[in-house]
Amino acid sequence: GAGVSQSPSNKVTEKGKDVELRCDPISGHTALYWYRQSLGQGLEFLIYFQGNSAPDKSGLPSDRFSAERTGGSVSTLTIQRTQQEDSAVYLCASSLTSLSTEAFFGQGTRLTVV
Amino acid sequence: GENVEQHPSTLSVQEGDSAVIKCTYSDSASNYFPWYKQELGKRPQLIIDIRSNVGEKKDQRIAVTLNKTAKHFSLHITETQPEDSAVYFCAASLGRTGANNLFFGTGTRLTVIP
Repeated sequence: GAGVSQSPSNKVTEKGKDVELRCDPISGHTALYWYRQSLGQGLEFLIYFQGNSAPDKSGLPSDRFSAERTGGSVSTLTIQRTQQEDSAVYLCASSLTSLSTEAFFGQGTRLTVV
Repeated sequence: GENVEQHPSTLSVQEGDSAVIKCTYSDSASNYFPWYKQELGKRPQLIIDIRSNVGEKKDQRIAVTLNKTAKHFSLHITETQPEDSAVYFCAASLGRTGANNLFFGTGTRLTVIP
């Protein structure tokens, strides 16, 4: 596609439920990143994929968070047993892995846990 | 891992004045330093970047400087305009295949007062 696409754009879920967030990176981009942005806060790194593998998972805040990427393209971020503190905007970005390392962001998924 | 610190967290300037945002990083191997602008309710977008083989880069009213010895880099905006009002994020990366992960600063909210 023309840009990074994320779905859903908004998600309201009840505490304790699982949610799955999807990211479609720009075609041909092999690097994919997930970030979390709480209201008025900075970009908190969650996980980074190079192809289908995740060289860096250090940012995942707990074992309730997991992510996968299949076919070197679409990625899903899963949050199990959601908590209110999980409420945030989840941003996905992708980039080429050549010297051109600009990361292009999706519009984000606003997650609200009630 | 890399730790990026950004100052100030908020900055107000009169229209036409200059604005300077500073960042420091911890990993001396980092060699790619982008700056992102995030307007209210929108996704972060790259505005300028610099690699470690240069000390300064300019693009119209925006410039970035890099001091590798001191491990700090700065964003300079001259002749500020109200449309420059946004949150600005600095980032650092190893900038190579398999290690493109961007580590972001906590952001600076710039307000340009007309």
